[in-house]
Amino acid sequence: AQKVTQAQTEISVVEKEDVTLDCVYETRDTTYYLFWYKQPPSGELVFLIRRNSFDEQNEISGRYSWNFQKSTSSFNFTITASQVVDSAVYFCALSEPYNNNDMRFGAGTRLTVKP
Amino acid sequence: SQTIHQWPATLVQPVGSPLSLECTVEGTSNPNLYWYRQAAGRGLQLLFYSVGIGQISSEVPQNLSASRPQDRQFILSSKKLLLSDSGFYLCAWSVPSEAKNIQYFGAGTRLSVL
Repeated sequence: AQKVTQAQTEISVVEKEDVTLDCVYETRDTTYYLFWYKQPPSGELVFLIRRNSFDEQNEISGRYSWNFQKSTSSFNFTITASQVVDSAVYFCALSEPYNNNDMRFGAGTRLTVKP
Repeated sequence: SQTIHQWPATLVQPVGSPLSLECTVEGTSNPNLYWYRQAAGRGLQLLFYSVGIGQISSEVPQNLSASRPQDRQFILSSKKLLLSDSGFYLCAWSVPSEAKNIQYFGAGTRLSVL
């Protein structure tokens, strides 16, 4: 069965610190997709990144970077030089490629960035 | 471009009252549609999904129901609300023919049942 674990319930950092949000997943499929979403205080989930299981290359987008490690079933998210606007709940999710009605979300990590 | 609308944004309802939340998508045809619930401080729970008009799949047994009367309209309903129905309800859509599986979310409805 698919499962996503975000062990960090809440993280608090001071502005400009780097922070890593952990995501560990379980699946029996060899083909799958991993996602990160951001939920700011307004409530809407904002799509950040999608990764397929055959692409382990790490990705960087501005201050955001993602580290996909199949060997440890992890897909961690790092924010460099955090800013107050990064404060949000971040969700990691997992889905099968041809069954996108079954996207499993982690419980989320609430990140608070203090000025 | 595609957009998704949900309303109302907030709702306060007494126990036992009916519920109707609406979600519409623009700029795409035949989307997959989803209703999720997020309890306070919790993750997302998939309630219903639909792959076409009149086609509804329920993931969790409960006193809620969903309907899809039109291609881009998804409605979440209840005949009698319970206190436990309080939460944040999110509608989402995805492109079914795409293997990318990205779900795009609406702004959500915060429901308080008192």
